[in-house]
Amino acid sequence: EPEVTQTPSHQVTQMGQEVILRCVPISNHLYFYWYRQILGQKVEFLVSFYNNEISEKSEIFDDQFSVERPDGSNFTLKIRSTKLEDSAMYFCASSVLGNEKLFFGSGTQLSVL
Amino acid sequence: EDQVTQSPEALRLQEGESSSLNCSYTVSGLRGLFWYRQDPGKGPEFLFTLYSAGEEKEKERLKATLTKKESFLHITAPKPEDSATYLCAALGGSYIPTFGRGTSLIVHP
Repeated sequence: EPEVTQTPSHQVTQMGQEVILRCVPISNHLYFYWYRQILGQKVEFLVSFYNNEISEKSEIFDDQFSVERPDGSNFTLKIRSTKLEDSAMYFCASSVLGNEKLFFGSGTQLSVL
Repeated sequence: EDQVTQSPEALRLQEGESSSLNCSYTVSGLRGLFWYRQDPGKGPEFLFTLYSAGEEKEKERLKATLTKKESFLHITAPKPEDSATYLCAALGGSYIPTFGRGTSLIVHP
């Protein structure tokens, strides 16, 4: 069964450093998303991406964040200068259409020290 | 602003003890109500989509129902392998699902 894959599974970084989280969505899906989940809290929307551009973003997704689809398969989330409060599990998700169920990856646990 | 509230936060059941999880939502123009299961350290896994009041969906021991203000996930005769966090998400006019905090279910053998 096709699945969304994320790398790395764990990332430890120093405050102020740049990190890139990588995702390979399911191949025939058209909508891509990043969510995050701080330990013990709810899953929070960051950004959605369709047709090679951002379609929606939340207040969390400020100028420190950016997304790219550099080729036909990868979808990346970059945090330019990490803060302690960026520590969370980051989930990539994809869907065929924009109003359908999401398929989530297993997440990248980001720890900012 | 779309809001989704789940209750209870945590639920402990004995194997075979049926119960229900609640998801209350405030969404302008509901386009879909989703239930997901999340195991520790994993991403949410899709269970059901409900689109209109009165709709029901079933899968093994789980049944999801929908009214105009809330959704229920009924668990019949649960087994320990049903232990997980169950997430509800509502999709409104923004096309961005809003998630609740989830209900952590533990089923004891």
